[in-house]
Amino acid sequence: LAKTTQPISMDSYEGQEVNITCSHNNIATNDYITWYQQFPSQGPRFIIQGYKTKVTNEVASLFIPADRKSSTLSLPRVSLSDTAVYYCLVATNTNAGKSTFGDGTTLTVKP
Amino acid sequence: GAGVSQSPSNKVTEKGKDVELRCDPISGHTALYWYRQSLGQGLEFLIYFQGNSAPDKSGLPSDRFSAERTGGSVSTLTIQRTQQEDSAVYLCASSLDLGQGATHGYTFGSGTRLTVV
Repeated sequence: LAKTTQPISMDSYEGQEVNITCSHNNIATNDYITWYQQFPSQGPRFIIQGYKTKVTNEVASLFIPADRKSSTLSLPRVSLSDTAVYYCLVATNTNAGKSTFGDGTTLTVKP
Repeated sequence: GAGVSQSPSNKVTEKGKDVELRCDPISGHTALYWYRQSLGQGLEFLIYFQGNSAPDKSGLPSDRFSAERTGGSVSTLTIQRTQQEDSAVYLCASSLDLGQGATHGYTFGSGTRLTVV
């Protein structure tokens, strides 16, 4: 399972775009990159998943460079309700369930 | 059901007692996972079940921990002779199957907060 590194915390203000980068230097060919969001007293919630280039859904965008050694989760125009912990996971379809979510990035959105 | 249901939501137990934590996955989901989250930390994988295959127990921290899944649906995580270091939130998740979980994400329950005193 690929090791990931994320910033421990980030601060932002309402209405700003937030980019959280995850490093995964030893990503393997069959690995996918998945991001989760977790609010206090809740389980994590799936945000977005990608393999390469750019993926966008109604919540976020995921940018993956050609070498796939990092990925950036982009949250457009954040609001106070986006304050949460964000986790980056890198794993194959077979191993994803065994992923250990790292400490994640605590995003605090201020008014 | 509509989501993953876990019970109880909170459990306080005395050191040395056994506890059972229950997870009711989404109907039709063949893959079920258990994780542990200590205060302020990330999730630690414990065990997963996929259909009728033997469970992957590689994340269980000691032989005091065990889990079963009856009839491919409800799962119970049992911790015997609880210790204070077992205090954590125990999260259950399910997905259609292993592959779908990886590519479309897992659906998590709200967890059981276990406190060993």
